[in-house]
Amino acid sequence: EVQLLESGGGLVQPGGSLRLSCAASGFAFSNCAMSWVRQAPGKGLEWVSAISTDGRGTYYSDSVKGRFTISRDNSKNTLYLQMNSLRVDDTAVYHCAKGSGPSRPYYFDSWGQGILVTVPS
Amino acid sequence: EIVLTQSPGTLSLSPGERATLSCRASQSVSSTSLAWYQQKPGQAPRLLIYGASSRATGIPDRFSGSGSGTDFTLSISRLEPEDFAVYYCQEYGSSRTFGQGTKVEIK
Repeated sequence: EVQLLESGGGLVQPGGSLRLSCAASGFAFSNCAMSWVRQAPGKGLEWVSAISTDGRGTYYSDSVKGRFTISRDNSKNTLYLQMNSLRVDDTAVYHCAKGSGPSRPYYFDSWGQGILVTVPS
Repeated sequence: EIVLTQSPGTLSLSPGERATLSCRASQSVSSTSLAWYQQKPGQAPRLLIYGASSRATGIPDRFSGSGSGTDFTLSISRLEPEDFAVYYCQEYGSSRTFGQGTKVEIK
């Protein structure tokens, strides 16, 4: 059974930093592209970032480019999201999402429950 | 960037009725790159449909997807109590964009 477990969320002041982790199990992690998708309170889904199987390819939405960094450690089956210069509008539940394959196009066939990041005004 | 517009915003139906949800793209989308997800309150999204019309593993056959070009549809033939949720379409070929969602609520 595929499991994706996010951790590292919490309350952080504007301008601060936070590092999210996603521990993966139940599938060949190193063979799947991975992404982070967030959901602001009461809002819809927003793709944030993606990473290739070997970590060399990284992709970001315009809203986080230059502030967030995605990475992965295939030896630990773990996905990361380093979030810097956090803003109030970064407040959201952040989901780790498993790509359906190693390269595009891929859909998200498994999702983590998500972790809340709160940046107060 | 491709923009996906879902309609209606909210669909009020009774159990046993048919639900028809629309997803319209701002430009043509490859039919192999359109997915639908279901999300219930407090839960992670769940993949329902990929490639516009292929059901994901374990998804009941009352869920079906169709469409091509810029117009796509998710149909639920007979609503079960557990189907009342929010549904999102996603284009995953180029932009990874999600639609804003359609809420299916009990009438």
